[in-house]
Amino acid sequence: GAVVSQHPSWVICKSGTSVKIECRSLDFQATTMFWYRQFPKQSLMLMATSNEGSKATYEQGVEKDKFLINHASLTLSTLTVTSAHPEDSSFYICSARDSRAPAEAFFGQGTRLTVV
Amino acid sequence: RKEVEQDPGPFNVPEGATVAFNCTYSNSASQSFFWYRQDCRKEPKLLMSVYSSGNEDGRFTAQLNRASQYISLLIRDSKLSDSATYLCVVIPNTGGFKTIFGAGTRLFVKA
Repeated sequence: GAVVSQHPSWVICKSGTSVKIECRSLDFQATTMFWYRQFPKQSLMLMATSNEGSKATYEQGVEKDKFLINHASLTLSTLTVTSAHPEDSSFYICSARDSRAPAEAFFGQGTRLTVV
Repeated sequence: RKEVEQDPGPFNVPEGATVAFNCTYSNSASQSFFWYRQDCRKEPKLLMSVYSSGNEDGRFTAQLNRASQYISLLIRDSKLSDSATYLCVVIPNTGGFKTIFGAGTRLFVKA
């Protein structure tokens, strides 16, 4: 199956700093990538849909100025958590679609963010 | 009403048992359906697609009932390694294939 690489796999940062998470499709072009957040024992919640070359579409309740998404190329989307606070500590996962199999989602390994 | 609903469990079963999970969805325009498996602190991995005619992959059987808007997953002869959270996934045919996840059903298989 297609490969999606997410980096870093874990990060600890101080409150008030910004953290960038990268999501790369390694062997296919992804015109659309999705960013999810998962709190302990809860479901994956879609945060935003990232479209190459255009602005991301955010889900209701997700602050676009706090969670900056950039999808500058067909193989890379980034999520930046700005001015992170302890309540932003969570598991962030990206998924990407291969245009050859658009209905299947391929996931990155996830990033565990801890804000102290 | 949530777009995709699952019984959160947990289901605690002995090895060798048969266990079934159900999932209901609210959007009748939903087009594609999947079951994913997620191990603790890992990303979800595709378990199987769900087709209208039903499909089987080894010990796993998935079925779709469009009229009642639910999908099911049956696991036969449970193994210890089946312990995980099973996520029901629905993709509508609108909105750019936005993937909607259920909250997941936790399964514990015990020796």
